[in-house]
Amino acid sequence: DGGITQSPKYLFRKEGQNVTLSCEQNLNHDAMYWYRQDPGQGLRLIYYSQIVNDFQKGDIAEGYSVSREKKESFPLTVTSAQKNPTAFYLCASSPDRDSTDTQYFGPGTRLTVL
Amino acid sequence: GNSVTQMEGPVTLSEEAFLTINCTYTATGYPSLFWYVQYPGEGLQLLLKATKADDKGSNKGFEATYRKETTSFHLEKGSVQVSDSAVYFCALMYNNNDMRFGAGTRLTVKP
Repeated sequence: DGGITQSPKYLFRKEGQNVTLSCEQNLNHDAMYWYRQDPGQGLRLIYYSQIVNDFQKGDIAEGYSVSREKKESFPLTVTSAQKNPTAFYLCASSPDRDSTDTQYFGPGTRLTVL
Repeated sequence: GNSVTQMEGPVTLSEEAFLTINCTYTATGYPSLFWYVQYPGEGLQLLLKATKADDKGSNKGFEATYRKETTSFHLEKGSVQVSDSAVYFCALMYNNNDMRFGAGTRLTVKP
């Protein structure tokens, strides 16, 4: 089945550690996105990538890094520089970088800093 | 800038009640408008969308009409079920690099 997978579903991190969240899609989509969701708030864009080997900062990129070495993969690293990383992280993809079609979301990863 | 404002929750209804969740937007030009639904512990699922003025999106008994004159995209359902309990997000998009979400409205439907 085509879709977006994120792993792990739950992730715990000690302060000062970097952690990497996985996002994979087999939809052959060009564009991929990372959002952060906090309780009672909408989604905020962290990073997006329109094409392999290229990515752009979103509204809240500080303390995060990404890579896009393969079309189907867009991992997000939450670095120790991110002061308040506890949140629900959602990955999404869309068919075409110029499209106005919808974005398709993965199931999310809940990150908790201990 | 582009933004979405939706009705604050939580909203609690009895089964078979009528649902309205208000959504208004601020944007230049004519964005596409979306409603997404999020069930507990899951990602967002597209519920419906409309890409131009006067379009009506519909799915699973939910409807929303793109009203340019009132810059609104209110979500409605005539008879809610317990299984509709979720968080609903209104969103607008000009292109895939600029998608804006509302804060979400939590709906609880009681038997």
